[in-house]
Amino acid sequence: EPEVTQTPSHQVTQMGQEVILRCVPISNHLYFYWYRQILGQKVEFLVSFYNNEISEKSEIFDDQFSVERPDGSNFTLKIRSTKLEDSAMYFCAKAILQGKDYGYTFGSGTRLTVV
Amino acid sequence: DAKTTQPNSMESNEEEPVHLPCNHSTISGTDYIHWYRQLPSQGPEYVIHGLTSNVNNRMASLAIAEDRKSSTLILHRATLRDAAVYYCILSAVFGNEKLTFGTGTRLTIIP
Repeated sequence: EPEVTQTPSHQVTQMGQEVILRCVPISNHLYFYWYRQILGQKVEFLVSFYNNEISEKSEIFDDQFSVERPDGSNFTLKIRSTKLEDSAMYFCAKAILQGKDYGYTFGSGTRLTVV
Repeated sequence: DAKTTQPNSMESNEEEPVHLPCNHSTISGTDYIHWYRQLPSQGPEYVIHGLTSNVNNRMASLAIAEDRKSSTLILHRATLRDAAVYYCILSAVFGNEKLTFGTGTRLTIIP
């Protein structure tokens, strides 16, 4: 099963700027997720995306965040106006529900640094 | 979310078996037990999951207590590459169920 690919691997942005984090899972999967991990802290759920719609989001996922699957293959997380506290590793994940490849597969992450 | 309790850290010698415990006394009948691990500077990685019966795969074995209130992840022969944070996570259903990560167990492998 191919890996989940995230781009960029590292992004530095100024506070208040918009950033778009990209993820390329396999197009025939239905369940996608974004998680984040602030340095030294737990991995936190942000949002789940099922059948091209948001199915659940956490308190962290406020109006500054949005997700899209613009072309049926890429999966993006947008932060409209970044804050210093948005600095974290952001992980995209997909779910495989059956068979030998069962499980949630995470990408290697995008390290976002807001300055 | 059903909670799990794991030791903060453990050490093991290389090439020896490792038993990573997890307590989940409030587990419900439909909760699956998942184990993920996170290698340094990487995303979480699926290790194994189970419901009631013990499970084996190429990475590890999962031993589930009869009352399901605890489980143990078994790495049969630890290598340096197994040094990671191991998370025990309960999840009711698959697909649309988010994973709730705790602080996990940081496993150190001693050469």
